[in-house]
Parts: sequence; structure tokens; C-alpha cells
Amino acid sequence: GAVVSQHPSRVICKSGTSVKIECRSLDFQATTMFWYRQFPKQSLMLMATSNEGSKATYEQGVEKDKFLINHASLTLSTLTVTSAHPEDSSFYICSARVTGGGLQPQHFGDGTRLSIL
Amino acid sequence: KNQVEQSPQSLIILEGKNCTLQCNYTVSPFSNLRWYKQDTGRGPVSLTIMTFSENTKSNGRYTATLDADTKQSSLHITASQLSDSASYICVVSASNYQLIWGAGTKLIIKP
Repeated sequence: GAVVSQHPSRVICKSGTSVKIECRSLDFQATTMFWYRQFPKQSLMLMATSNEGSKATYEQGVEKDKFLINHASLTLSTLTVTSAHPEDSSFYICSARVTGGGLQPQHFGDGTRLSIL
Repeated sequence: KNQVEQSPQSLIILEGKNCTLQCNYTVSPFSNLRWYKQDTGRGPVSLTIMTFSENTKSNGRYTATLDADTKQSSLHITASQLSDSASYICVVSASNYQLIWGAGTKLIIKP
């Protein structure tokens, strides 16, 4: 149980393109979803916390107009990287937490490898 | 400052051997500590989660320990297998649900 599906798994596109990444909790409802990015040989870095039905909370230094997050339902959150540039190339991972609070573990998707040419 | 430090940064052992990974933290107030396994190019998978009152927790060949007094945790892997090759990440949760991530230990199991 507790499967999180992330799509697409890999994107290669030209500079200036906007890219949308979907994160779905397949067999549970997730009030809260998280978006991370990970650079090679580094740990995950939290970008934003997405709450269903409300605006996402962004971490310091993350541009909300650059990384648009929508959490329209209890099973789906999307991250759109707008006008992507080569420096946005990274591994983006979402996670979802079962409704019930902080002791519930986060379940992670398998990530999206974004490459901007 | 809330921090999580892991050691070693990387480790290579032979298949079948045991190993222990370390995690020291300075997170306060402490809520819980988790160990994740992350295969290359995949998302992390939870191995164990421990609260303040728990000293040890096992998940198959993985055994995590927690010493809340010294703010140290370890992950012991018994009879390692090739599939154990991955990064192991220690994550500490503060009472406000903020997660503080360690940089991970990259474990390589050689046949």
C-alpha cells in the first residue's frame, strides 16, 4: 500500500519550455504533498509543501512564480517549472503523507529527471 | 541550528558482511528519526521510524538504534546483499513537523 506515482519519469526539453510534473497518491488520500529537488550526490532539498485546497508554502529561496504548485485534490499535486533554463535541470521528487499528521511517514514517488538543453 | 550529520560519506563492503551507518543530530525539539533507502534514480523508501522513547527498531536485516540522550542513531545491516547498494539517508523530524535531512551514506556492496 501507500504508493505514490510520479509522471513523467524523465523530461528533456529546450530552454524556455514549461514542464509539468504530476504526483499522485494511488491508494490513499494525502492532505499534504511535498516537492523536493536533488542535485547529484546531495540529499533531498525541500522546495515546497503543498496542501490540498490552499496555496503551497515555499521554502526560502524557492521562487513561487518559477515553480507553480497546484494541489487540487487529495490524490494529485502538480509542479510546473515555468520557462525552464539549464540551471533548473535536476531530479525532482514528490512525496505524500497519509492524512493524520507528522508521525505518518512520507511516501515518495520515483522522481522526475529534468534536463534542459 | 538544526543539523543532521551522517558518516561515513561512502562505504564499500563485501557481500555477506555486516555494516553500521551513523547519524548524529542536533535537532530540537525532537519528534522522530527515520532512515530511508534511496536507490540510484529512485525516490527514497522508508526503512524505520523511531520516536523519542524507542531505542531500537528492526525491519528484516535492517536494525536502527536511537540514543536520544547523545542524539545519535545507527543503522545496522546484517548479511549484506548486492541489492543493499544504495544511499541511506537519516531524517530527523522536529516537533513542528519540519524534516531535517542528512546528506546520506552511499553504500556499495561488492560480490
